[in-house]
Amino acid sequence: GAGVSQSPRYKVAKRGQDVALRCDPISGHVSLFWYQQALGQGPEFLTYFQNEAQLDKSGLPSDRFFAERPEGSVSTLKIQRTQQEDSAVYLCASSSRDSGRAGGELFFGEGSRLTVL
Amino acid sequence: EDKVVQSPLSLVVHEGDTVTLNCSYEVTNFRSLLWYKQEKKAPTFLFMLTSSGIEKKSGRLSSILDKKELFSILNITATQTGDSAIYLCAVVTNAGKSTFGDGTTLTVKP
Repeated sequence: GAGVSQSPRYKVAKRGQDVALRCDPISGHVSLFWYQQALGQGPEFLTYFQNEAQLDKSGLPSDRFFAERPEGSVSTLKIQRTQQEDSAVYLCASSSRDSGRAGGELFFGEGSRLTVL
Repeated sequence: EDKVVQSPLSLVVHEGDTVTLNCSYEVTNFRSLLWYKQEKKAPTFLFMLTSSGIEKKSGRLSSILDKKELFSILNITATQTGDSAIYLCAVVTNAGKSTFGDGTTLTVKP
């Protein structure tokens, strides 16, 4: 696609519900990142994929958070048993192989805003 | 742990003013430093800096990196209301991971 696409754009969940957030990166982009952005803060790293391999998941805040990218393209971030502190914007970003090697730019989606009541 | 600190956290200026935004970092295996602009939605790329002392320039915006003192600045001259946004600094490691600062919120008043 032309840009990084995320869905849903907005999600309201009751505490304890499971949610799934989808990211469709730019076609051909090898690297895919998930970030969590709370109000008034910068994006916090969650996890990183290169193709289908999850190379770094050190930022996932608990074992309730799980991400996958089974075919090296679309990725899903799943949050189980949501809690109020999970309320944030979840940003997905992708980069091309060359951009990643050069330490270059990330292309961000517009984010999924999760509100847990 | 990799760390990026931006200052000031917020700034209010009038159109035509010049602003300087600061970014300092502590990171292992530094590869590059990037500046992004975030309006209401997704951050968009402004500059990538890899070498000290070389200024990157795009219109009224410019940026420079000091790898010895571990900081970067972003300058905006002749500010316009459309420059109002959050400006994010991110440092990328050799492993390809980006660590962001909390941003500087710039408000430009007419």
